[in-house]
Amino acid sequence: SQTIHQWPATLVQPVGSPLSLECTVEGTSNPNLYWYRQAAGRGLQLLFYSVGIGQISSEVPQNLSASRPQDRQFILSSKKLLLSDSGFYLCAWSVGQTYGYTFGSGTRLTVV
Amino acid sequence: AQSVTQPDIHITVSEGASLELRCNYSYGATPYLFWYVQSPGQGLQLLLKYFSGDTLVQGIKGFEAEFKRSQSSFNLRKPSVHWSDAAEYFCAVVVIQGAQKLVFGQGTRLTINP
Repeated sequence: SQTIHQWPATLVQPVGSPLSLECTVEGTSNPNLYWYRQAAGRGLQLLFYSVGIGQISSEVPQNLSASRPQDRQFILSSKKLLLSDSGFYLCAWSVGQTYGYTFGSGTRLTVV
Repeated sequence: AQSVTQPDIHITVSEGASLELRCNYSYGATPYLFWYVQSPGQGLQLLLKYFSGDTLVQGIKGFEAEFKRSQSSFNLRKPSVHWSDAAEYFCAVVVIQGAQKLVFGQGTRLTINP
């Protein structure tokens, strides 16, 4: 079956520290992968998407970066976290033109 | 630019009352539309989706939505809400710009009064 794993579930990091959030997909090949962020009291903003290994598109300028080292692995990173990076981060995948999106359970990041 | 607008940030209804959450989209082509629900601290769960065909779409948990092209709307409805329906609701549209992307509205937070 097709599943998506996202970890960690919660994370508290000091300002200026690095970040690495990982998302992996199982049961499918060549998925489109997405990172979304939900800031407190706000909607879901698309941060990055990837249509293949090493192919990353950024939707908004920010302090974060994304990488796709393997077909079913999507990583969200930062070299130095800012307070404004706090939020709920969701990974998602879709396949081809099916327009079916599956979301992970999310990571709640608090930068202190 | 393609976008989704949810005009109501917060709605409060009494348990057992009917519910309608509004969603307006801006997209030149035939839209692919979704409604998701997010319980506190949780991920997203798909309620229903519209791609084509019958404009009244049935979803899970007793929800339905109606696609109205003339009004560029895709409102979510439920005839009688339950306390467990309290959550954040998101409308979304697929945008194809090089790749397909799911673009969300700002969300509507639903509170249920006992």
